[in-house]
Amino acid sequence: SQTIHQWPATLVQPVGSPLSLECTVEGTSNPNLYWYRQAAGRGLQLLFYSVGIGQISSEVPQNLSASRPQDRQFILSSKKLLLSDSGFYLCAWTNTGEGGYTFGSGTRLTVV
Amino acid sequence: QKEVEQDPGPLSVPEGAIVSLNCTYSNSAFQYFMWYRQYSRKGPELLMYTYSSGNKEDGRFTAQVDKSSKYISLFIRDSQPSDSATYLCAMSTGGYNKLIFGAGTRLAVHP
Repeated sequence: SQTIHQWPATLVQPVGSPLSLECTVEGTSNPNLYWYRQAAGRGLQLLFYSVGIGQISSEVPQNLSASRPQDRQFILSSKKLLLSDSGFYLCAWTNTGEGGYTFGSGTRLTVV
Repeated sequence: QKEVEQDPGPLSVPEGAIVSLNCTYSNSAFQYFMWYRQYSRKGPELLMYTYSSGNKEDGRFTAQVDKSSKYISLFIRDSQPSDSATYLCAMSTGGYNKLIFGAGTRLAVHP
């Protein structure tokens, strides 16, 4: 069966520090991968998506970047965090072509 | 105008009530419609999935899609306190195109 792992679950980082969030998918190959951010009481904002190794599409220009070094690994990074980067970050995947995504358990990031 | 509109609530109902959650959309090309349930501090989980128009039932949950009105609904019968969560609608044109989410409706079912 397919599973998605996302870590860490919670993170508190000072302003100006770097960030690295990792997501891995098991039990499938060549998935489409997505990073979303959810602000408190808000909907899901798509940040990045990838349809293959090394391929990244950015939805919103911001202080973040993404990379896909392996088929089932998706990394969200920042060189210098801003207060506005605080939020709930979710990784998701699909390979059905019909739109249904499976989400990870999320990382709650607080920038202080 | 947002592509997908969803009333954020909150919606508070007594246990056993029938709950109706709704979304409207503007893109007539949407073909795949989903409802996700998200408990506090957790990732969303897929609850219902519908292709094109019509109804789909799964236990206490019924999803309806009316493409002519660009309107989708999720009905929860005999609501339980464990149904307390945020419900997000989502839709896609298909073919690996991106899912577009509503803002989510927060539901509280009280005993």
